[in-house]
Amino acid sequence: AQSVTQLGSHVSVSEGALVLLRCNYSSSVPPYLFWYVQYPNQGLQLLLKYTSAATLVKGINGFEAEFKKSETSFHLTKPSAHMSDAAEYFCAVSDWNQGGKLIFGQGTELSVKP
Amino acid sequence: DAGVTQSPTHLIKTRGQQVTLRCSPKSGHDTVSWYQQALGQGPQFIFQYYEEEERQRGNFPDRFSGHQFPNYSSELNVNALLLGDSALYLCASSSSWGDQETQYFGPGTRLLVL
Repeated sequence: AQSVTQLGSHVSVSEGALVLLRCNYSSSVPPYLFWYVQYPNQGLQLLLKYTSAATLVKGINGFEAEFKKSETSFHLTKPSAHMSDAAEYFCAVSDWNQGGKLIFGQGTELSVKP
Repeated sequence: DAGVTQSPTHLIKTRGQQVTLRCSPKSGHDTVSWYQQALGQGPQFIFQYYEEEERQRGNFPDRFSGHQFPNYSSELNVNALLLGDSALYLCASSSSWGDQETQYFGPGTRLLVL
């Protein structure tokens, strides 16, 4: 069975600092991996996705993530945090062979201090 | 290009009642998935509809049912509401061709059961 673990339910950084949100996955088949962002009282917005092409994936708003098979990780980074990055971030895995349902982690709330 | 839309945005019901939530997929998409997001949790997959049939189902009781219409829009029905059904209900759409693995989410319907 597939699963996702997000380390750290809450991460706080200063404006301009590096953002690192951790995600580890478990999958018996090559996974599709996603990061979504959720702003307060809103739905989920796709940040980026890995679908077995390049291991370093660039997304919107300056975010990127690197797929590391040996570590079963897909950590999300951004070189310089902005106040507008404060939100909840979800990592998700999908096995398209099983219909494509997304399995989400518990989420990481990112706070950005001025 | 219209994104995924959901209605209503908020809903208050009492225990034992029934509720119907509605979703219109992104233009060009033919597959609709529903997720339940309890407060402070990641979304949980309820079911997915394609070609007007339930294609895949998560671990939810039969009180949760759905429907997909010929125009690809979808409804989620929940009978005999419980307090624990209070959550944000998210609809996501995807395409059965091209970028099949990526799901795009609507803003959600927030259901409160009293």
